Amino acid sequence: AQTVTQSQPEMSVQEAETVTLSCTYDTSESDYYLFWYKQPPSRQMILVIRQEAYKQQNATENRFSVNFQKAAKSFSLKISDSQLGDAAMYFCAYKPGARDDKIIFGKGTRLHILP
Amino acid sequence: GAVVSQHPSRVICKSGTSVKIECRSLDFQATTMFWYRQFPKQSLMLMATSNEGSKATYEQGVEKDKFLINHASLTLSTLTVTSAHPEDSSFYICSASGGQGVRNQPQHFGDGTRLSIL
Repeated sequence: AQTVTQSQPEMSVQEAETVTLSCTYDTSESDYYLFWYKQPPSRQMILVIRQEAYKQQNATENRFSVNFQKAAKSFSLKISDSQLGDAAMYFCAYKPGARDDKIIFGKGTRLHILP
Repeated sequence: GAVVSQHPSRVICKSGTSVKIECRSLDFQATTMFWYRQFPKQSLMLMATSNEGSKATYEQGVEKDKFLINHASLTLSTLTVTSAHPEDSSFYICSASGGQGVRNQPQHFGDGTRLSIL
């Protein structure tokens, strides 16, 4: 069975600094997608970034980038120039690639931004 | 981008009442919809997967008769919490994806429903 592990329940970063959130996963499949979702206090689920497993290049979205290590099954999220609005719960997630299937979420990391 | 509308956003009702939550895809056909439950400070827990025109597939431990799911059209799925009790109080979120077998379809989430049973 696929699993997603986020080992950092909470993290804090100074505003304008860089922070990295860790995520590891376990799967026997070779075709899949990985995601980072942000859930602010409003509890809306916001897709931050997506990575296709067959792509070697790390995905980047403005201040957000990932370090995807397929062999190590690691998928960390780097947030550069942290802003107060980045404070939220961040969920790492996995989805099989070949079919319309459920997403498996990690337990989340609560990120605090210190002014 | 694709939008999923979830209604109501907040509901408070008495114990024993049945509550219906709607999840609509506004600008795409959602062949599959997912229902999640989220307890405070916890992750999303998948309750069931519903495919248009067929019975929902429930995750282990989720009571089918308690949480009735109907996916009657390609744009609407409903979750009915029957005879709700205080322990059913939670945050419920739906998501929708647009294609069976389509590789690149992301899931789009509704804004969630906060259910409080008195």
